[in-house]
Amino acid sequence: DAGVTQSPTHLIKTRGQQVTLRCSPKSGHDTVSWYQQALGQGPQFIFQYYEEEERQRGNFPDRFSGHQFPNYSSELNVNALLLGDSALYLCASSSNDRYLAYEQYFGPGTRLTVT
Amino acid sequence: LAKTTQPISMDSYEGQEVNITCSHNNIATNDYITWYQQFPSQGPRFIIQGYKTKVTNEVASLFIPADRKSSTLSLPRVSLSDTAVYYCLVGDGNTDKLIFGTGTRLQVFP
Repeated sequence: DAGVTQSPTHLIKTRGQQVTLRCSPKSGHDTVSWYQQALGQGPQFIFQYYEEEERQRGNFPDRFSGHQFPNYSSELNVNALLLGDSALYLCASSSNDRYLAYEQYFGPGTRLTVT
Repeated sequence: LAKTTQPISMDSYEGQEVNITCSHNNIATNDYITWYQQFPSQGPRFIIQGYKTKVTNEVASLFIPADRKSSTLSLPRVSLSDTAVYYCLVGDGNTDKLIFGTGTRLQVFP
């Protein structure tokens, strides 16, 4: 049973460019959340997708957008990249069960470097 | 969402029991307490979740006093591989978003 997978593993972009990160959830999960983790900090919630719609959003600008596909996989898009967007981007999946909402399974992350 | 406070770091030796306490004075009636573990360059891993009293699984135990204003994650007989950052989170699950603090960095020595 594959866990959460993310691609690519590493990415280097230039300021002003756009990037798309991809995530496949754990089998049986229908909810996908995205987090940004800067070095030495805890993960920060970006947004969550369920039934192909954004259900929750953290304090991130509109440059951060996402999508969820019918097979529950998801993409995170970041436009007009800034140096401060350099971070580890984590995808987490869970089932749509209130008690299990906090039992999320994380992928290995995508390390984004903006130069 | 209730704010949590944890020690920044802790040191231990292999074979010892480690207890990490988290303070959450503003915990709400419907809030659950959840702990995650994170190794460098990896995503966090769910350890344990509880609401009151004591919860135990194959990895850890979670102790929650009656007032629920704090909780203690207990790791029995730690090994070098338990060196990681441990996060305490509190929430009602309705928002579904995990709010991580800076966590507790546990270093286990041989």
